[in-house]
Amino acid sequence: GIQVEQSPPDLILQEGANSTLRCNFSDSVNNLQWFHQNPWGQLINLFYIPSGTKQNGRLSATTVATERYSLLYISSSQTTDSGVYFCAVFDQTGANNLFFGTGTRLTVIP
Amino acid sequence: DGGITQSPKYLFRKEGQNVTLSCEQNLNHDAMYWYRQDPGQGLRLIYYSQIVNDFQKGDIAEGYSVSREKKESFPLTVTSAQKNPTAFYLCASAEGHSEAFFGQGTRLTVV
Repeated sequence: GIQVEQSPPDLILQEGANSTLRCNFSDSVNNLQWFHQNPWGQLINLFYIPSGTKQNGRLSATTVATERYSLLYISSSQTTDSGVYFCAVFDQTGANNLFFGTGTRLTVIP
Repeated sequence: DGGITQSPKYLFRKEGQNVTLSCEQNLNHDAMYWYRQDPGQGLRLIYYSQIVNDFQKGDIAEGYSVSREKKESFPLTVTSAQKNPTAFYLCASAEGHSEAFFGQGTRLTVV
């Protein structure tokens, strides 16, 4: 199956700082999503972004499908941004599997 | 409310018992998925179903079984053959390759 790698694995930020999370994938994809897993384990949808750039408040994401990567930007980070950020992709083989990266664990300290 | 409902939120199982985790969706999605997450780890695919009465094994299907008798429902049974079932289980649904949505998860503990 498709390989999805995220970096960095861990990130510690001071409140108010900006950050960039990266997701690389090994093959062409039909879909890419970013999720935030909160401390209770729930996966919150952040972006559905097969290509291009989207923004939602302090968060924005860019996917360059031809170069097989996506970036998640967090600006003016808050303690509530803490948690694990996952990217996930649907491959193009027709099997319709949703493959997850290993995640980036973000800790925002006051 | 539209969405995916998993139940129960917490489940305790004695060794040797089978247990069934419920996943229901009212989003009219054809595809449904079950994932397992161990502490500090990512999500691994157990089973997925693209349409009613059809399902496929994922990467870690051993010790698990599923059924898809209705479009809305995709229950997961953790059998006694699963040697290390303690984990967080997440169910998802999607329409084709469009946006996938997740339930709130079930934490299973073997006692």
